[in-house]
Amino acid sequence: ETGVTQTPRHLVMGMTNKKSLKCEQHLGHNAMYWYKQSAKKPLELMFVYSLEERVENNSVPSRFSPECPNSSHLFLHLHTLQPEDSALYLCASSQDAQGGDQPQHFGDGTRLSIL
Amino acid sequence: GENVEQHPSTLSVQEGDSAVIKCTYSDSASNYFPWYKQELGKRPQLIIDIRSNVGEKKDQRIAVTLNKTAKHFSLHITETQPEDSAVYFCAASKGAGNMLTFGGGTRLMVKP
Repeated sequence: ETGVTQTPRHLVMGMTNKKSLKCEQHLGHNAMYWYKQSAKKPLELMFVYSLEERVENNSVPSRFSPECPNSSHLFLHLHTLQPEDSALYLCASSQDAQGGDQPQHFGDGTRLSIL
Repeated sequence: GENVEQHPSTLSVQEGDSAVIKCTYSDSASNYFPWYKQELGKRPQLIIDIRSNVGEKKDQRIAVTLNKTAKHFSLHITETQPEDSAVYFCAASKGAGNMLTFGGGTRLMVKP
């Protein structure tokens, strides 16, 4: 299944670097999400975009900056990250619905390591 | 906000046995409960979901039950196979924005 594609798959960066994660969905969905998956922790929702508008910023530090230029693309811009930011970053998409009951489809994630 | 607790954190069963994973949620307004399977190094994949207007749903060897009064839901896997070995996550959501709150995950190991 290649409905949600994330690049790069792996990223190693220093704390002073600036990089971006990319997500693209080919499912015709209108909502996209960023999650952080750390070892021994539940998946944490970071950002939600619906119809290209941000609807949720889940108390995420400003060193993470999302961008959603259209309903098929989502970016996560990274700058001056900390070692504790090392994790798997997952993108997902769904049809947004007022009822909140639409399945989310995930990408393979970007494994981020901060040196 | 919503809080989802998942138990057990690890579960080991013999091939052919059944496995049951349980989740509780705190927000009575939650109305959508998906289950995801994540194999090592792979994406979470939706395996079954249930909405609050239904008490039980089944898809071949997998079933989910929902008790809205007690605010808990469970995943049942029958006739387990080695390929069922993975981490399973439950989640809950409500309302616009479709924001999921995940449980901590259960590592299921099926021994041949």
